[in-house]
Amino acid sequence: DADVTQTPRNRITKTGKRIMLECSQTKGHDRMYWYRQDPGLGLRLIYYSFDVKDINKGEISDGYSVSRQAQAKFSLSLESAIPNQTALYFCATSDLDRGEQYFGPGTRLTVT
Amino acid sequence: GNSVTQMEGPVTLSEEAFLTINCTYTATGYPSLFWYVQYPGEGLQLLLKATKADDKGSNKGFEATYRKETTSFHLEKGSVQVSDSAVYFCALWHSSASKIIFGSGTRLSIRP
Repeated sequence: DADVTQTPRNRITKTGKRIMLECSQTKGHDRMYWYRQDPGLGLRLIYYSFDVKDINKGEISDGYSVSRQAQAKFSLSLESAIPNQTALYFCATSDLDRGEQYFGPGTRLTVT
Repeated sequence: GNSVTQMEGPVTLSEEAFLTINCTYTATGYPSLFWYVQYPGEGLQLLLKATKADDKGSNKGFEATYRKETTSFHLEKGSVQVSDSAVYFCALWHSSASKIIFGSGTRLSIRP
C-alpha cells in the first residue's frame, strides 16, 4: 500500500464550487505539505504543517485553506474554485530533521 | 536567499546516450541536495541525495556529486534507457529553513 495517498485522483468542478482534496499518510511523519504543479512552473508551495497545531502559509496560499485533522491527515480546500486553480496538486510528508520529502500520486483538478 | 537553477528542457536523447542535467544552487552554509524524478502520471520520487561537500549520491545508474566550489549538483547517467523518460527536479534543503527549494524541472525524453 502507498505511504502517502490522495483523494480524489481526478476532479472536475465548476467555478464557484467548494472543493476539498484529502491527503493521508502512514509514514508517521510530523511534517506535511501541499504543492501545486503547473506546466513549466515546477512546484509551488501552498501550505505546510509541522504538527497538528502548526499551519503555515506557503508562497501561493491565496484562495486556499487547509486543515490538519490528525498527524496522518492534511486537507486542502478551495472555498470558491476559479479556472486558474486548474492544476495538479501534490501532498508530501517529511521527517522532522531530514530534508527529503515523500509525495503522494497527485490530484488532477480542473475548474470549468 | 536560497535558490536552485537547473537546465531548461526538454532534453531528447537516443537510448544508450550519456546524460547530464545541470543544476546549480545558491545558499549559505551547507545545504543538503537532492534529485527527484517524476514519471508520467505519478508524484515525485527521491532519486538520490548528498548531504555534504564531495558526497556522491547514486541510484538506478544515476549519479550526482555535491561540488561546494562550483555550487553544483549535476545529474549524470552513462547509458540512458527509454524507461528513464521523466521530469527531473533538483532540490535544496537547509536545516535552518522549513521547506525544500525545488528547481523548475527538466523534461527528459529517450528515443528507442
